[in-house]
Amino acid sequence: AQKVTQAQTEISVVEKEDVTLDCVYETRDTTYYLFWYKQPPSGELVFLIRRNSFDEQNEISGRYSWNFQKSTSSFNFTITASQVVDSAVYFCALKYNAGNMLTFGGGTRLMVKP
Amino acid sequence: ETGVTQSPTHLIKTRGQQVTLRCSSQSGHNTVSWYQQALGQGPQFIFQYYREEENGRGNFPPRFSGLQFPNYSSELNVNALELDDSALYLCASSAQGGLKEETQYFGPGTRLLVL
Repeated sequence: AQKVTQAQTEISVVEKEDVTLDCVYETRDTTYYLFWYKQPPSGELVFLIRRNSFDEQNEISGRYSWNFQKSTSSFNFTITASQVVDSAVYFCALKYNAGNMLTFGGGTRLMVKP
Repeated sequence: ETGVTQSPTHLIKTRGQQVTLRCSSQSGHNTVSWYQQALGQGPQFIFQYYREEENGRGNFPPRFSGLQFPNYSSELNVNALELDDSALYLCASSAQGGLKEETQYFGPGTRLLVL
């Protein structure tokens, strides 16, 4: 069985603060894929990143960075110098190699105040 | 934008009615997945269509059914609507060709309200 847990349901920060969104996953598969999606108020899920289970290299994309640690089954997402436009619900998701479905966490609502 | 489109954007139905939601996949994508997202929750997988056949199904009753057409667009049909069917229905398209790590790109969703 697969499970994704995002323990932080809501986070509020002031603009320019750094913020980390936590994601912990459970799977018995040795090959799997982890994703982060952003959902603004419009509702559309916007793809941010995909990480393969055999690639633990951290990734940075502009103000976004991701820390993947298999030892703790975590795939955390950090936004540096947050902006009001970062306000959204962020979802972490898991897909195992032989499967076709994404298993989503419950999401973290991020509010960035000016 | 992903190029995945969904229609209609909003829909209001009454309990017991039937509804059809539509999705056009991104150019070059041959697989469509449907998800239900209740308010305040993460999306839940309904089913996936690949080459016009169902290719996996989540924990949803048979009154949720679907189709995929030769142009890879898809429909989600829900019969005998219940109040709990009120949700945002998301369609995602992906390019499947033997590899399983393809990324799913989502459309804007259809908001269904059942009264």
